[in-house]
Amino acid sequence: DGGITQSPKYLFRKEGQNVTLSCEQNLNHDAMYWYRQDPGQGLRLIYYSQIVNDFQKGDIAEGYSVSREKKESFPLTVTSAQKNPTAFYLCASSIDSGSSETQYFGPGTRLLVL
Amino acid sequence: AQSVTQLDSQVPVFEEAPVELRCNYSSSVSVYLFWYVQYPNQGLQLLLKYLSGSTLVKGINGFEAEFNKSQTSFHLRKPSVHISDTAEYFCAVSVSSGSARQLTFGSGTQLTVLP
Repeated sequence: DGGITQSPKYLFRKEGQNVTLSCEQNLNHDAMYWYRQDPGQGLRLIYYSQIVNDFQKGDIAEGYSVSREKKESFPLTVTSAQKNPTAFYLCASSIDSGSSETQYFGPGTRLLVL
Repeated sequence: AQSVTQLDSQVPVFEEAPVELRCNYSSSVSVYLFWYVQYPNQGLQLLLKYLSGSTLVKGINGFEAEFNKSQTSFHLRKPSVHISDTAEYFCAVSVSSGSARQLTFGSGTQLTVLP
């Protein structure tokens, strides 16, 4: 069954700690995305990657970092520089980065600060 | 840059009644339009999308939407809702000449179907 998996489902971060959210897809998609969702707001783009070994900042990249060493994997690190990390994080992928392409979403990771 | 406005943050409706979720967009160039649904604590799932051609688009679960270029709207409709349609619905727009990184989401409409 093809799809996108995200882990963990819930993640707790202590002050000053970096945490990494996992995103894996077996859809053979070239493009991958990370979004942040806050209550009452739409999704905001953090980072995206059009192809392996390439990624670009989105609208709210400060305090986050990513890597794209493999086609199927696009992990997101929330660094200690992100002062308000509590949110629902969604990973998505699409066949390519064309604007008509459907983005397929994972189930999300909820990040909470202790 | 494009923007999306979902006019209602919450829409309560009784089971088997019709529903319309409103979406307006602004853009100076041609756009593609999407509706996604999100069930509690889950990711988003595509309901339907408009790329070109017929302005009436049919999607999954009995939903449909109509693209109205003159009114810059893309309202989502269902003639008879079920309890299982309770979810949050997001309208999104991308510029047809751009890339998928430019997908802009509205703030969402929570549809609650009452028994």
